[in-house]
Amino acid sequence: EAQVTQNPRYLITVTGKKLTVTCSQNMNHEYMSWYRQDPGLGLRQIYYSMNVEVTDKGDVPEGYKVSRKEKRNFPLILESPSPNQTSLYFCASSFYRVSGEQYFGPGTRLTVT
Amino acid sequence: GENVEQHPSTLSVQEGDSAVIKCTYSDSASNYFPWYKQELGKGPQLIIDIRSNVGEKKDQRIAVTLNKTAKHFSLHITETQPEDSAVYFCAASDNNNDMRFGAGTRLTVKP
Repeated sequence: EAQVTQNPRYLITVTGKKLTVTCSQNMNHEYMSWYRQDPGLGLRQIYYSMNVEVTDKGDVPEGYKVSRKEKRNFPLILESPSPNQTSLYFCASSFYRVSGEQYFGPGTRLTVT
Repeated sequence: GENVEQHPSTLSVQEGDSAVIKCTYSDSASNYFPWYKQELGKGPQLIIDIRSNVGEKKDQRIAVTLNKTAKHFSLHITETQPEDSAVYFCAASDNNNDMRFGAGTRLTVKP
């Protein structure tokens, strides 16, 4: 089954404790991205990757890191989480960067206390 | 950069009625306009999209219209059913920039 998987689905952590949210897709997509979803703000892009070893900032990259060592995986790293990073996070992948369907993962709800 | 505004933020309709969600965009270069449906506890899923070379597209009970001159596009759902209840997002992109999403519309269809 074609899908994007994320882990964990739920995470409660404390300020400053490094964490990683994993993302994996099995559709051989070149383009992957991370979004955060906040009430009233919709989906805002954090980082994206156009291919292996190629990553770039989205609209809200501060406080996040990503890596793309393999085509299928695109982990999101929070080196020192803060409460303002409490949000719902989605990983997405697609064949094209723009003008094409994006496939979203099920989401990771992160709470930073 | 592109800015997408979406209205209304919440919409409640009776089963069988129609629902309309409207979006405006700022970048005249935008040429791809998808609509995503997000059910509770799930990620957004594409339900319909339209490109700038057409003015309307239909898929069963769902239709999208695009007015490039006015820079707005709309999602129309006819004969709504309870399973249409979800959050809907519009988005816009051009060939050079990543997609920008609207803030979302929570649609509730009352049985």
